[in-house]
Amino acid sequence: AQSVTQLDSHVSVSEGTPVLLRCNYSSSYSPSLFWYVQHPNKGLQLLLKYTSAATLVKGINGFEAEFKKSETSFHLTKPSAHMSDAAEYFCVVSGPGAAGNKLTFGGGTRVLVKP
Amino acid sequence: DGGITQSPKYLFRKEGQNVTLSCEQNLNHDAMYWYRQDPGQGLRLIYYSQIVNDFQKGDIAEGYSVSREKKESFPLTVTSAQKNPTAFYLCASSIGPAGETQYFGPGTRLLVL
Repeated sequence: AQSVTQLDSHVSVSEGTPVLLRCNYSSSYSPSLFWYVQHPNKGLQLLLKYTSAATLVKGINGFEAEFKKSETSFHLTKPSAHMSDAAEYFCVVSGPGAAGNKLTFGGGTRVLVKP
Repeated sequence: DGGITQSPKYLFRKEGQNVTLSCEQNLNHDAMYWYRQDPGQGLRLIYYSQIVNDFQKGDIAEGYSVSREKKESFPLTVTSAQKNPTAFYLCASSIGPAGETQYFGPGTRLLVL
């Protein structure tokens, strides 16, 4: 069984300040972990993916995430928020399912960027 | 330009009516998926297909049906048995089922009249 908990449902930051989105996961296996971003009424766009090659993963648009096995965490960060970062972010864990691979989604974190 | 297309962008359903959502991909991916998204929630898996002419139920398949007659197409029918169909529906695909990244379409919003 696997699960994902996004610790904040909403995060508000000022433009130019750092962003931190927190994610904890639970998995019986060595999981693959993803962060996706969704702008209003749009599909999900992949930000980055962890697959055990390196614990610090760099993604698109200046985002990065650090995998910490001891803390079962995969937090997403960006040093300086931009207005275009206002969106909903999903942490996702991938692991074996009944047939093939199964994605389990966190509940999402909505980011508000203030000018 | 490779990608996943979904149509229509908005769809209205009358009570007792079946409606079909289209999903097409030109990425040559074997696996395709349908998810439902409700406000303030993550995505929940409705159906998935790993190969043509084969598909499996996901976590919330009741009231939905699918077909996979062609590799590039995976339509979802929302039947009259689905009592609460209002949601945002997302289609995704991946190269294969094992540990692969899923790529998402733009979504279809279904509303009930």
